[in-house]
Amino acid sequence: EIVLTQSPGTLSLSPGERATLSCRASQSVSSTYLGWYQQKPGQAPRLLLYGASNRATGIPDRFSGSGSGTDFTLTISRLEPEDFAVYYCQQYSSSPLTFGGGTKVEIK
Amino acid sequence: EVQLVESGGGLVQPGGSLRLSCEASGFTFSHYAMNWVRQAPGKGPEWLSYIANGGGTAYFADSVRGRFTISRDNAKNSLYLQMNSLRAEDTAVYYCARGIAAAGSCWCPYFDSWGQGTLVTVSS
Repeated sequence: EIVLTQSPGTLSLSPGERATLSCRASQSVSSTYLGWYQQKPGQAPRLLLYGASNRATGIPDRFSGSGSGTDFTLTISRLEPEDFAVYYCQQYSSSPLTFGGGTKVEIK
Repeated sequence: EVQLVESGGGLVQPGGSLRLSCEASGFTFSHYAMNWVRQAPGKGPEWLSYIANGGGTAYFADSVRGRFTISRDNAKNSLYLQMNSLRAEDTAVYYCARGIAAAGSCWCPYFDSWGQGTLVTVSS
């Protein structure tokens, strides 16, 4: 099983600042089969990125992703008020499908 | 617009059973693999089960294999999760999620659409 470790656990930033979230895998994730999701309180997760760097439909371009192998990054270039939420990475390289523990981006 | 609506959650005693349903609309249900994902309070999501678009192939997480069964009725645009031998640690919000598998990968998908979830509480 591929274990995904996200850091930091909490990121305290102000609107307009840049957010950099990390997702590290315990084994190599083949062909960048990694996704990122955003979740707000009381809502289901929403797909942001797939294939490590491809934005899902309707996702603004301030969200970007990079990485390969075992190290992946989600970057939010300039935080908007609606971006304060919890973010999860998920690998779909092998079974079982696994998620990271999440990074909470909170308002400083 | 893709819509997934779960139902069937509730309070059940340990050892009991529950059947969740997910009704899909806004897309050709029979073309897509579907999944169940759960999220315990304060935790990250946990993938539970996958079923191929035709219903002939299914996979389970170790935590539920042998206790949970996934099925679908493409004529009714519906997905189901039969949960038996429920335990306190099964308490969570249960989501159905549409799966998209990358070309060249295993059956393994990412999840591009999610329902709003249904809460299952296992307690005496």
